Amino acid sequence: DAGITQSPRHKVTETGTPVTLRCHQTENHRYMYWYRQDPGHGLRLIHYSYGVKDTDKGEVSDGYSVSRSKTEDFLLTLESATSSQTSVYFCAISDGAEETQYFGPGTRLLVL
Amino acid sequence: SQQGEEDPQALSIQEGENATMNCSYKTSINNLQWYRQNSGRGLVHLILIRSNEREKHSGRLRVTLDTSKKSSSLLITASRAADTASYFCATDATGYGNKLVFGAGTILRVKS
Repeated sequence: DAGITQSPRHKVTETGTPVTLRCHQTENHRYMYWYRQDPGHGLRLIHYSYGVKDTDKGEVSDGYSVSRSKTEDFLLTLESATSSQTSVYFCAISDGAEETQYFGPGTRLLVL
Repeated sequence: SQQGEEDPQALSIQEGENATMNCSYKTSINNLQWYRQNSGRGLVHLILIRSNEREKHSGRLRVTLDTSKKSSSLLITASRAADTASYFCATDATGYGNKLVFGAGTILRVKS
């Protein structure tokens, strides 16, 4: 998976609790992305980063925040998890704009 | 909102046959990418075609792009059981390449 790891790989949590997902890369790529995948929707972009401390919103950013303090790490936080955030979350990286994205193995999150 | 829409939603063929999947999109693009996802895994990039290209080949894959019709097709020739997967098209409509919009995917089953 192109030097991308995600942690945890599986998580069960309760509504209202904060959750942080981590994406770690060893490729030194500038761009990092967080997507969620739900049946019938394909992948939808949550947030992305184009450099350390440089982030921007995607299509479905409400309820999510991100941080990138180092090139290799991109964190996705659900401040107060809701059942609608039950999904599979994928991190991706790319070396530049308009280039191929490489995906991590995904994190399955269940919010009860 | 989904930019790309794949057709058909599901496709079942015999090993050795060709598989064709189509993608339609709504706005002007800079490039269109195809990805494969095996069950429970992350997405793997297959091929990228830029808006000024009409056809591209990679091994058993052939991708066409018709910007006038806002459509693309992915042809897998001489399919194998290992080609069984979901296939997604993704479009870059922003010009910055970092906001890919994915379709809902085509599920391909190759029977041996």
